[in-house]
Amino acid sequence: NAGVTQTPKFQVLKTGQSMTLQCAQDMNHEYMSWYRQDPGMGLRLIHYSVGAGITDQGEVPNGYNVSRSTTEDFPLRLLSAAPSQTSVYFCASSNRGQSIETQYFGPGTRLLVL
Amino acid sequence: AQSVTQLGSHVSVSEGALVLLRCNYSSSVPPYLFWYVQYPNQGLQLLLKYTSAATLVKGINGFEAEFKKSETSFHLTKPSAHMSDAAEYFCAVSVPPRGNMLTFGGGTRLMVKP
Repeated sequence: NAGVTQTPKFQVLKTGQSMTLQCAQDMNHEYMSWYRQDPGMGLRLIHYSVGAGITDQGEVPNGYNVSRSTTEDFPLRLLSAAPSQTSVYFCASSNRGQSIETQYFGPGTRLLVL
Repeated sequence: AQSVTQLGSHVSVSEGALVLLRCNYSSSVPPYLFWYVQYPNQGLQLLLKYTSAATLVKGINGFEAEFKKSETSFHLTKPSAHMSDAAEYFCAVSVPPRGNMLTFGGGTRLMVKP
């Protein structure tokens, strides 16, 4: 049971380049989400999904796209990277129940946009 | 909308001393509250959560937090700090029915001196 995995661990992009951050979980969790972490600002929700085929925007969605074709995978796409997107990105997953389920976080992807 | 304020971006204590990390929240409805810990270069790990049951919540590694509605606080404490407690700690809030959508505070970095 690998939990939540993210690739790559580190990436350097030039302004305007595109890339996809991968996130996968093997716990059959319905809920998955992407956060970005910036110094002094904690983590901010970018996009989330409550199940395959369903996605929605979080607090800071601009410049990012997501899709959820399977329960296991939830990739985050940057179509045209900007220096303001330099950050550490975390993917998280949990069951979607009536009570508050524990969210499991991946190890993160550190992104530098030049 | 809900929000979280963590007082003190850096806290330093001596090994064996009391750990107190402060968290105040704002929410128009009864919230769910969480404390997460992040060790260097790792993802976030849940320490404890409050979901409207007992107001004193015990978590892992000897940490506990008390929900005080009158003070809108959820401070994290540990009686005796250990070197291994050095990490960054995040307080987070969510509200029903979107209990999985977390709003994080800015984080507090705990340093433990020998």
